Amino acid sequence: GDSVTQTEGQVALSEEDFLTIHCNYSASGYPALFWYVQYPGEGPQFLFRASRDKEKGSSRGFEATYDKGTTSFHLRKASVQESDSAVYYCALANNNAGAKLTFGGGTRLTVRP
Amino acid sequence: NSKVIQTPRYLVKGQGQKAKMRCIPEKGHPVVFWYQQNKNNEFKFLINFQNQEVLQQIDMTEKRFSAECPSNSPCSLEIQSSEAGDSALYLCASSLSSYYAEQFFGPGTRLTVL
Repeated sequence: GDSVTQTEGQVALSEEDFLTIHCNYSASGYPALFWYVQYPGEGPQFLFRASRDKEKGSSRGFEATYDKGTTSFHLRKASVQESDSAVYYCALANNNAGAKLTFGGGTRLTVRP
Repeated sequence: NSKVIQTPRYLVKGQGQKAKMRCIPEKGHPVVFWYQQNKNNEFKFLINFQNQEVLQQIDMTEKRFSAECPSNSPCSLEIQSSEAGDSALYLCASSLSSYYAEQFFGPGTRLTVL
């Protein structure tokens, strides 16, 4: 079955640091890839999506590029802020699987002021 | 801010009791998904609907889970006989399409089974 792996379970940074969260996927077909962010007490919020190889998705200073060769969709941000502290999820939707989302394990980002 | 409305936000039940939660999808979104998020932040897809029809669902072998999305009424997810292992955050999401479209989540219903 489809799967998403996020390497980092927790990341701790200081404000203005560079962020990378690694995401790799395994899926049949050609899935769409997503990043979601979840704040305490809320449901996941859609950040952005990419649907084809080499497509870059971006929002709020975060970005990721769909790489079919390495089956990756790594999240990056050049300069994090304390308000970015949250849990980030990489996910895929495979139309062969009815477009439900398959989520990674999540990465808890803590940004120190 | 979530435009998907879920009620109640918190639900506490004893083992063996019914637990029912509701979801109003974002206006104009015909596709609705239900997910379960456990305390380890793991997501489990439960079921999805397009309009009132089931698109896909997990093999609810326990048969304790049922869901519907009637016309002109909120969608609902019901657990017939709650178990301690059902304690989780139940998330409803809606989408414009069943094909690769982003899903928008509500705040969830946190179920605690005592």
